[in-house]
Amino acid sequence: GQSLEQPSEVTAVEGAIVQINCTYQTSGFYGLSWYQQHDGGAPTFLSYNALDGLEETGRFSSFLSRSDSYGYLLLQELQMKDSASYFCAVRDNAGNMLTFGGGTRLMVKP
Amino acid sequence: GAGVSQSPSNKVTEKGKDVELRCDPISGHTALYWYRQSLGQGLEFLIYFQGNSAPDKSGLPSDRFSAERTGGSVSTLTIQRTQQEDSAVYLCASSLDSGPSGNTIYFGEGSWLTVV
Repeated sequence: GQSLEQPSEVTAVEGAIVQINCTYQTSGFYGLSWYQQHDGGAPTFLSYNALDGLEETGRFSSFLSRSDSYGYLLLQELQMKDSASYFCAVRDNAGNMLTFGGGTRLMVKP
Repeated sequence: GAGVSQSPSNKVTEKGKDVELRCDPISGHTALYWYRQSLGQGLEFLIYFQGNSAPDKSGLPSDRFSAERTGGSVSTLTIQRTQQEDSAVYLCASSLDSGPSGNTIYFGEGSWLTVV
């Protein structure tokens, strides 16, 4: 099976940089994804890493190290609207269902 | 459709009653997921459908929960004899397939279930 660990809560100030870590245990591996969920809303896809290294999409970047079973989401130039929950997720190498971590609640303060 | 559609958006039911929640995935998406999320909590996997394969039911919490997917499209999640602990938002999601593009799944807005 799969399990993922991420911090439950992170607080940062507007304009700052924040890193949300995710460690995972899985019987196989087929990629690490990140999703954002605002209160009362549906989760939405942010990024996906299948290979080691950094993927950049605007202010958001995601990193993966398969040898360490570790990844992180980096948010730069934080804005108030970035206050949300962020979930990492993995698939096993059978390409089956996506398992989510417990989520990290990010609070951005002025 | 343009996105994943779920109905009802809100449902209040009495303890012991049965409820059905419907999900209409994005057209052409072969993979369909049901997750449950309690207030302020993470996403709990319930069931996964992929094409014509047998569904992965490993996340269903009890035999009161069942789901079906007809014609490889619309899915219905049924909860029998509802209990107060079933109160949660039930999220449906779909994706193109189980390959790399399957890492991008698209969620509906959820069905908010309250059992009183």
